[in-house]
Amino acid sequence: SYELTQPPSVSVSPGQTANITCSGDKLGDKYASWYQQKSGQSPVLVIYQDSKRPSGIPERFSGSNSGNTATLTISGTQAMDEADYYCQAWDSSTSWVFGGGTKLTVL
Amino acid sequence: EVQLVQSGAEVKKPGESLKISCKDSGYSFTSYWIGWVRQMPGKGLEWMGIIYPGDSDTRYSPSFQGQVTISADKSISTAYLQWSSLKASDTAIYYCARGKTSGEFDYWGQGTLVTVSS
Repeated sequence: SYELTQPPSVSVSPGQTANITCSGDKLGDKYASWYQQKSGQSPVLVIYQDSKRPSGIPERFSGSNSGNTATLTISGTQAMDEADYYCQAWDSSTSWVFGGGTKLTVL
Repeated sequence: EVQLVQSGAEVKKPGESLKISCKDSGYSFTSYWIGWVRQMPGKGLEWMGIIYPGDSDTRYSPSFQGQVTISADKSISTAYLQWSSLKASDTAIYYCARGKTSGEFDYWGQGTLVTVSS
């Protein structure tokens, strides 16, 4: 079955840029989405179709997807961005799959 | 505004059956997928399966095929996730989410905590 691999944790200083990666075989051929989940809350979609932002998501969130890696970039990271982040991929053969999640710590 | 409202927390014993629900409001229920996602205590998100209420097309993750049943009732805009015989390892939060044709889940329910304990 298809697998997505994320680093368990990423640390960033306030105001700096955080990059969270998601790796999978030929991931660039699929659509990648990213979700933010804060403690005790439901996940929230922050990036879809590789690089699109839903309404209400700050511009500091951006995404890219090429080759075997999708990347979520948070520019000017704020304390409120501390959360778990999950990538997710879809195509007609993969169905839906989530990565293992990355805990973002804003130090 | 799109809202997915899930049924309340459940406490069950091993071997018991259970059906939890996810009711939509504010959008065309038959025009989107409804997916189910498991989150075990302290763990990540796992895609379980998905249904398209418009034609009842249902897909399951290989990990959950045969373990759960997903269904929907268009007349009341509600999707369901059910177990015929619960195990302690089914203890988790279960989320429903609206799925788009490009694969993302854009709206999520508040989650249903299922606790299975003797």
